[in-house]
Amino acid sequence: DTEVTQTPKHLVMGMTNKKSLKCEQHMGHRAMYWYKQKAKKPPELMFVYSYEKLSINESVPSRFSPECPNSSLLNLHLHALQPEDSALYLCASSNPPTALGLNTEAFFGQGTRLTVV
Amino acid sequence: LAKTTQPISMDSYEGQEVNITCSHNNIATNDYITWYQQFPSQGPRFIIQGYKTKVTNEVASLFIPADRKSSTLSLPRVSLSDTAVYYCLVGKTSGTYKYIFGTGTRLKVLA
Repeated sequence: DTEVTQTPKHLVMGMTNKKSLKCEQHMGHRAMYWYKQKAKKPPELMFVYSYEKLSINESVPSRFSPECPNSSLLNLHLHALQPEDSALYLCASSNPPTALGLNTEAFFGQGTRLTVV
Repeated sequence: LAKTTQPISMDSYEGQEVNITCSHNNIATNDYITWYQQFPSQGPRFIIQGYKTKVTNEVASLFIPADRKSSTLSLPRVSLSDTAVYYCLVGKTSGTYKYIFGTGTRLKVLA
């Protein structure tokens, strides 16, 4: 199974709502990532979890709150978002890098298309 | 992190070989080079990865010169379905890896 599953595929939420995005992988990867992608732009890294611990936060606003309950699951909790937060949110997983740089291919999910109204 | 530079866009015709070059002048000794393909509204998909010289798999080849300051992704005999954005990423081989995407190259394959 080389799949990263993201739910929901589409989400519309109001600025006062609280919602969560979910990501799941069963490849035994110990690194998981959240990215945000606006139209016609490259994915922007938000968070990196390594061995279920948050290792990188790219200065993301606190209205985005990541959580890694176990090695297979990654959540992104959303609260009080703004319309400019509307984007495709991508989850990815990989093995942590090795000295040879091998087996560090990242697998991406299909994303959650988020619209904030 | 090494910064990457790629052409913004390229056009090609079906059946042609396409070469996309990525510049990464400040690549570090323990950095390796990875290429991803992305279709609209989908997550990026791994194409190929290398450290030096040439790497080939069933879909592409990656050429890396001795100084490693650039790399070239080669797609043989492209088809319309190869129309996508192609990203070159450079990252280290130890510690926590940040997959940082550059601007990418928008490839359009014409009939």
